[in-house]
Amino acid sequence: DGGITQSPKYLFRKEGQNVTLSCEQNLNHDAMYWYRQDPGQGLRLIYYSQIVNDFQKGDIAEGYSVSREKKESFPLTVTSAQKNPTAFYLCASSTTGSAGETQYFGPGTRLLVL
Amino acid sequence: AQSVTQLDSQVPVFEEAPVELRCNYSSSVSVYLFWYVQYPNQGLQLLLKYLSGSTLVESINGFEAEFNKSQTSFHLRKPSVHISDTAEYFCAANTNAGKSTFGDGTTLTVKP
Repeated sequence: DGGITQSPKYLFRKEGQNVTLSCEQNLNHDAMYWYRQDPGQGLRLIYYSQIVNDFQKGDIAEGYSVSREKKESFPLTVTSAQKNPTAFYLCASSTTGSAGETQYFGPGTRLLVL
Repeated sequence: AQSVTQLDSQVPVFEEAPVELRCNYSSSVSVYLFWYVQYPNQGLQLLLKYLSGSTLVESINGFEAEFNKSQTSFHLRKPSVHISDTAEYFCAANTNAGKSTFGDGTTLTVKP
């Protein structure tokens, strides 16, 4: 089955710790995205990538980092600089990143701070 | 800059009643419009989208939305809802600049 997988489903972070969220897709999509979702709010774009080895900051990139070494994978690191990391994180992909394309979402990772 | 406003944060309705979830957008350029649905603790799934052509678009499960350029709206409707339609619904807009802007979501609760 083609789709997007995210792991882990739940992740706990201690103070001062960096944590990495995994996102893998087997849809052969060029474009991948990371969003943050807070209760009662819509999705806010953290980072996006339209091609391997290239990515751009979204609206709320501070405190986050990404890499895109393989087409299939777009991991997100939540660094200790992100002071309010508790949220639901969603990864998505689309064919090329063009405006009219549907985005396909993974099941999400819920990050909680200990 | 574009923005998307979903006018109702919560919409409770009884089963088999009609429902309308309202979405307005603002953009100085042409937009592509989407409705996504999110079930609890899951990712979003596309419900329907408007790219061009006929202003009325339909989904396979009975939802429809109408693009109204003069009112800058893209309201989502269903003539008769089911319990299984209970979910959160997001309206989104894209322009040719590429990035999507999402509304804050509307929680639809269908009661028996």
